Formats: sequence, structure tokens, C-alpha cells
Amino acid sequence: DTGVSQDPRHKITKRGQNVTFRCDPISEHNRLYWYRQTLGQGPEFLTYFQNEAQLEKSRLLSDRFSAERPKGSFSTLEIQRTEQGDSAMYLCASSWLNQPQHFGDGTRLSIL
Amino acid sequence: GQQVMQIPQYQHVQEGEDFTTYCNSSTTLSNIQWYKQRPGGHPVFLIQLVKSGEVKKQKRLTFQFGEAKKNSSLHITATQTTDVGTYFCAGPQNQGGKLIFGQGTELSVKP
Repeated sequence: DTGVSQDPRHKITKRGQNVTFRCDPISEHNRLYWYRQTLGQGPEFLTYFQNEAQLEKSRLLSDRFSAERPKGSFSTLEIQRTEQGDSAMYLCASSWLNQPQHFGDGTRLSIL
Repeated sequence: GQQVMQIPQYQHVQEGEDFTTYCNSSTTLSNIQWYKQRPGGHPVFLIQLVKSGEVKKQKRLTFQFGEAKKNSSLHITATQTTDVGTYFCAGPQNQGGKLIFGQGTELSVKP
């Protein structure tokens, strides 16, 4: 069990650019979640997958955000045309069904 | 929509003092989970409570789930500097396991 791995750890980009983050879950976990966390707040749910199926997306998630998990293993989260308000820590978590979630170290996104 | 509230937002204690954080949900929960996030780190699962009125202990940490399954508390006895971090409660919104997190209580411990 190598834990949940996220890449990159930090991303600095200019406003308007596209960014993509990757998450590798714990191998035997079938569920993968994306959360966003800003300073002083708890993680905020974005979307989740069970195997390769995306089962739920937050209503707060704009059309600029898209996530994939094509083979039911790793997942990518893409943000198009980044805005200042997208600056946050993006956390990935995985679990086996409704078992407790294991979080990765996150990707910190800074928009210049 | 479902909301999870935590108080206090910050707690500063002297090492050896006790600490308690309280969590309230706007809806009845099937379970409540507690996570700890160290400064610069990621949330780490501590415990899950499922039954109404359930109490669980982990060394100096005591977790309670309310009778109505809408509130919970975490109590730390005789805090140590290693307890520093932010403690979050979280409840699932549906069977999909999507978690709604509270805002967290940030604990600082003065040696």
C-alpha cells in the first residue's frame, strides 16, 4: 500500500491557462474522489468515480472543470481557462465503496 | 443542502489542558467521521462512528455520536504538542460516500 499519490505537488500558472492534475489511488480501491480546499476551510466535494464511471459532480463545479478515470485506475482533473478563484489545494481521495477515505498530499494551484 | 458546522474555529491551549471540538449536522447522518490535518499535510482518517449514542476512545481521544445522530464531539485529554493540527468532522451525504466536511477546528498547543 503506497498510499494515494498526486502529481504535481505544486502548480503555478497564469490566468487563462489550462492545467491538469493526476491522482493515483490505492490500487485496490474502486472509488476515487476529488475535493478542493481553501485556507481555513474543510475539503469541498467536487466529483467522484466508482471504477471508471463518474457518478456525481458537485453543482458548484463549473463547465471549465472536467475529470476522467478512463481505466478505473488513475484519474485526471483538468481546469480550463483558469481564474483567480481557482487557486486552492486540490485533494484526491480513494476508498473501497463506503469505507473511510484515504487522502493524497494534494496539488496546490496558484493562479498569477 | 446538507451542512456540517464545527465550533470553535480555533482553540489555543497550554500543553496538558483538555480540548473539545463540537460538530453539528443539519440532517441526520448514517455515520460521522473525524479527520486530522497537520499543518501543510492532508486529512488523515481518525475514526468513524455509526451508532446513536456511540462513544469510542483512542488513547487520549474520546469521540461521541449524539443520540439523534446529528451531532458529535471530539475530546482530547491532556493535550500534547503532537496534537497540533486541524480536526474535521465529516458526514456522508448519500450512499455514494461523498463527504460533507465541517470547517474544522484548528488546535494549537503551547509547550
